[in-house]
This record gives sequence, structure tokens and C-alpha cells, in this order.
Amino acid sequence: DGGITQSPKYLFRKEGQNVTLSCEQNLNHDAMYWYRQDPGQGLRLIYYSQIVNDFQKGDIAEGYSVSREKKESFPLTVTSAQKNPTAFYLCASSIAVWKITDTQYFGPGTRLTVL
Amino acid sequence: KNQVEQSPQSLIILEGKNCTLQCNYTVSPFSNLRWYKQDTGRGPVSLTIMTFSENTKSNGRYTATLDADTKQSSLHITASQLSDSASYICVVSAGAGGTSYGKLTFGQGTILTVHP
Repeated sequence: DGGITQSPKYLFRKEGQNVTLSCEQNLNHDAMYWYRQDPGQGLRLIYYSQIVNDFQKGDIAEGYSVSREKKESFPLTVTSAQKNPTAFYLCASSIAVWKITDTQYFGPGTRLTVL
Repeated sequence: KNQVEQSPQSLIILEGKNCTLQCNYTVSPFSNLRWYKQDTGRGPVSLTIMTFSENTKSNGRYTATLDADTKQSSLHITASQLSDSASYICVVSAGAGGTSYGKLTFGQGTILTVHP
């Protein structure tokens, strides 16, 4: 059963803590992405990776970090430097960033709440 | 600045009725436009994708149109069902020369509610 999985579905964090959100895909896609979704706003790109061991900052990378050690995995760490981390986080993957008809497939999301 | 604006923000219709959602964009250079459906608390799912040369694309009861001259797109839903209740997101990609730059600009979405 191919697809993208994210865990956990819900995550609660105390202020000052770092937390890591998991994203795994078995679609054999080269590109992976992390987005943040806030109510009434469009998705905003945090980081993306076109290939293993490479990643690029998106529009709102401050306070976040990522790694891409394996093709299948692209974990996102929300650090204590992120001032307003409460949001719905979506991971996505696609065949290749440069393909004009490339479609991003999204995971089910992780809802992070800072207590 | 690349922008995607959707209207209306929300819409309520009765089951079986048709509806049309609008999307205006200022992304340049234009590569493609996609419509996604997002159920509450879930990830978006792709409905259609259109490149510059396409002006209509259907997926079952969903029909998307694109006017690249006016930079407008619409998503028409026919014979709505309760399961169509969701947020519909318009997404535009910039690119040139047959490739995409890979950076997507997302609209804020239209929340559709279908009542029985």
C-alpha cells in the first residue's frame, strides 16, 4: 500500500522544547516537502528536498530544521526558536521538482499544539 | 509578488446542486495550475492539473477551466454530494521552458459545505 505517512497525528509541546515530526514515503519519489497550514491561510513552504542529503529553505524556514539521510524519510524538527509553532504540518512528496506536470502527494498531517 | 486569491471564502449548497469556485492568480511566469480537495484534518488530494495550453480538464463531477489571458481558473462541481464538503485549494506553479521551478503558490481555499 503506497503512500505518505506522518506521525504522530497529534503532538503537544511545552514551550522551550524541540519536537520532531516524522514523514515517510514509499512512492520512490525524489522530492519531499514540508508545509505549514494556519486557519484562513494558504499552505506555506518550510523546507524542501530534491534529493538525498540535499535540502533548501522555503518561505518560512526560521525556527525549523530538517534532514534527508534516506530517500524515504524527511523529518522536521520544530525548535524552541519557532515563535508560533501551533499549526497543522503537512508533508508531501513528488517525482521531481522540475517536472512541469509534477504532482505533490500529501500525507495526513500532524497537528502540533504548544501548551 | 506571486499571489493566488480564491472566492468565495465559503459556500453552502444543497445536495444535488451545482457550484463554481473561482481562482485568480498573479504568478509569473506561469507553468501550471492545480486544484486540490482537502477534507477536514487531512492532507490535500489532487483533483486536476492544467498547463498553459489546456483550458479545461475534467475529473468525474469536477471540471476545471483555465483562462491564461485573464489569469483566472474555475472549478465546477456537478450534482454535489455530501462527500464534496471540504476545502478546495487552487495552487499555481511558476516555470518556463517546459519545466517547473517547483515553488507552488497556494490559495487560501474555499470551504464548501453540502447540506442534505
